[in-house]
Amino acid sequence: RKEVEQDPGPFNVPEGATVAFNCTYSNSASQSFFWYRQDCRKEPKLLMSVYSSGNEDGRFTAQLNRASQYISLLIRDSKLSDSATYLCVVNWGGKLIFGQGTELSVKP
Amino acid sequence: GAVVSQHPSRVICKSGTSVKIECRSLDFQATTMFWYRQFPKQSLMLMATSNEGSKATYEQGVEKDKFLINHASLTLSTLTVTSAHPEDSSFYICSALPGQNTEAFFGQGTRLTVV
Repeated sequence: RKEVEQDPGPFNVPEGATVAFNCTYSNSASQSFFWYRQDCRKEPKLLMSVYSSGNEDGRFTAQLNRASQYISLLIRDSKLSDSATYLCVVNWGGKLIFGQGTELSVKP
Repeated sequence: GAVVSQHPSRVICKSGTSVKIECRSLDFQATTMFWYRQFPKQSLMLMATSNEGSKATYEQGVEKDKFLINHASLTLSTLTVTSAHPEDSSFYICSALPGQNTEAFFGQGTRLTVV
């Protein structure tokens, strides 16, 4: 079993759609959680940290369920500029472990 | 925010030569840095953890004699791909964390092509 697993992609959605990404992790000792965004041939950039209480940043909402070892990202009102690969990232012992990424393509 | 600088951004080398990639934390000290490799359409795979003043810790399946890591100061780690072969062609990227559970900051990545 992979340490961090994400929904397989790609997700092709129209502008304005709501899309949800899911992620599970295997190590219950994991300490912190993040969603990163990676554009083609570029380095990953932090989208948001994920907290047990859930957190929202504009159109983006992240949730963490420690009991189920599950993380989610919801994007509302998708924009063309949201097209990218979204990476679920788990930190344990200072090491960042990446999921395989989910590709999102938002179409006009 | 914190900045990590990686150099070079792109390199093409001949098979059998060695290539050195530098990773610098510009505005914070990093006792630990991480090196990742990413093949097309795949995620970032952790290669090794670079520890300042001590030996790097390599992930399973990564050859430590092929991928030499040196972390001589609190702001600089280097990865040397020795005797590079075409199958080593990939996107190499470093990261550093200002604190134990903080977000990671990434270098811009190095696209290595071995011909």
